[in-house]
Amino acid sequence: GQQVQQSPTSLVLQEGENAELQCNFSTSLNSMQWFYQRPGGSLISVFYNPSGTKQSGRLTSTTVIKERRSSLHISSSQITDSGTYLCAMDSGTGGYKVVFGSGTRLLVSP
Amino acid sequence: EAAVTQSPRNKVAVTGGKVTLSCNQTNNHNNMYWYRQDTGHGLRLIHYSYGAGSTEKGDIPDGYKASRPSQENFSLILELATPSQTSVYFCASGAQGDNQAPLFGEGTRLSVL
Repeated sequence: GQQVQQSPTSLVLQEGENAELQCNFSTSLNSMQWFYQRPGGSLISVFYNPSGTKQSGRLTSTTVIKERRSSLHISSSQITDSGTYLCAMDSGTGGYKVVFGSGTRLLVSP
Repeated sequence: EAAVTQSPRNKVAVTGGKVTLSCNQTNNHNNMYWYRQDTGHGLRLIHYSYGAGSTEKGDIPDGYKASRPSQENFSLILELATPSQTSVYFCASGAQGDNQAPLFGEGTRLSVL
């Protein structure tokens, strides 16, 4: 079946440092997304990024479909960036069925 | 404003009891989903629906039923709750083909004792 592998599983940064989160897919994908989740909170879409590079403020997502991978780059991290980042893919088969990775827990300390 | 509302937000149930989790969306989305989130597993799809009257099995449907009586409402039913179903459950809605991520509810924390 479809598998989504995220790395690292957890990451601790000093405020101001940059972070690179990775997502690898076992099958071809139709679309992929990055979500942010606060502890105990809901999921908020960060990027909907089927391919190429997208930037929003300090966040940049790059997806290379033929290599079945996507990355999320956080520059100049802030304490409020702390939380869990999940990537998800839709293979485009069998309807809109999104498969999630296990997430990267990010802690940004002062 | 687009919204997905789950109820209850917290639930404690006894083993063997029946539990119904409700989800309401005001987004006029055709698709709705139920996920559970457990440490180390991310979100796993339980059931989903393409519209009123339809329910489809996701990746882990065993022990769960779903009901979509209307465009707005999608319920997840645990007929005989077990401790292994203790988890956080998320409902989401989305419109297939519109290049937008689904919208998620705030989650329901279920404990089965």
